Amino acid sequence: DGGITQSPKYLFRKEGQNVTLSCEQNLNHDAMYWYRQDPGQGLRLIYYSQIVNDFQKGDIAEGYSVSREKKESFPLTVTSAQKNPTAFYLCASKQLASRAGELFFGEGSRLTVL
Amino acid sequence: QKEVEQDPGPLSVPEGAIVSLNCTYSNSAFQYFMWYRQYSRKGPELLMYTYSSGNKEDGRFTAQVDKSSKYISLFIRDSQPSDSATYLCAMSLYGNKLVFGAGTILRVKS
Repeated sequence: DGGITQSPKYLFRKEGQNVTLSCEQNLNHDAMYWYRQDPGQGLRLIYYSQIVNDFQKGDIAEGYSVSREKKESFPLTVTSAQKNPTAFYLCASKQLASRAGELFFGEGSRLTVL
Repeated sequence: QKEVEQDPGPLSVPEGAIVSLNCTYSNSAFQYFMWYRQYSRKGPELLMYTYSSGNKEDGRFTAQVDKSSKYISLFIRDSQPSDSATYLCAMSLYGNKLVFGAGTILRVKS
């Protein structure tokens, strides 16, 4: 089945540590996205990439980094510079040719800082 | 003012009720309007989307867009406990970045 796989599903981090969240898609979509979801705040865009080896900052990129070395993969690193990293992180993808721009999401990764 | 406003709820209804979920928006240029359903601790899944004004029906779900009022709605007929979830509206210009509402929590009681 085609879809988006995020791992790990749950992750615990000590303050000062960097962590990397994995996102893999087999939908052959061009564009990939990372969102952060906090209660009552909806989805906020962290980074997105429309093509391999290129990516752009979203609305809340500070303290995060990404790479896009392969079309299928878009890992997100939460660095120690992110002051409030505890959140639910969602990876999404879409086909650039889509007029509506609808996104397809993974199951999410919940990061908790201890 | 947020670009997309959505009442967070929670909205609690008895099984079998008709549910109305709504969003308002400020950007009159939006052309595509979507509804996502998100179960607890899961990723959002696309329910349906509409282009411009009008209605679209899919089973028990009907999406309605009123561009003159900048108001969209999702109606759920014969609601079931399995419909209990958070419903997110989202909208976009042609192929551009989606803008999401904060989501409405729906609880359907059996």
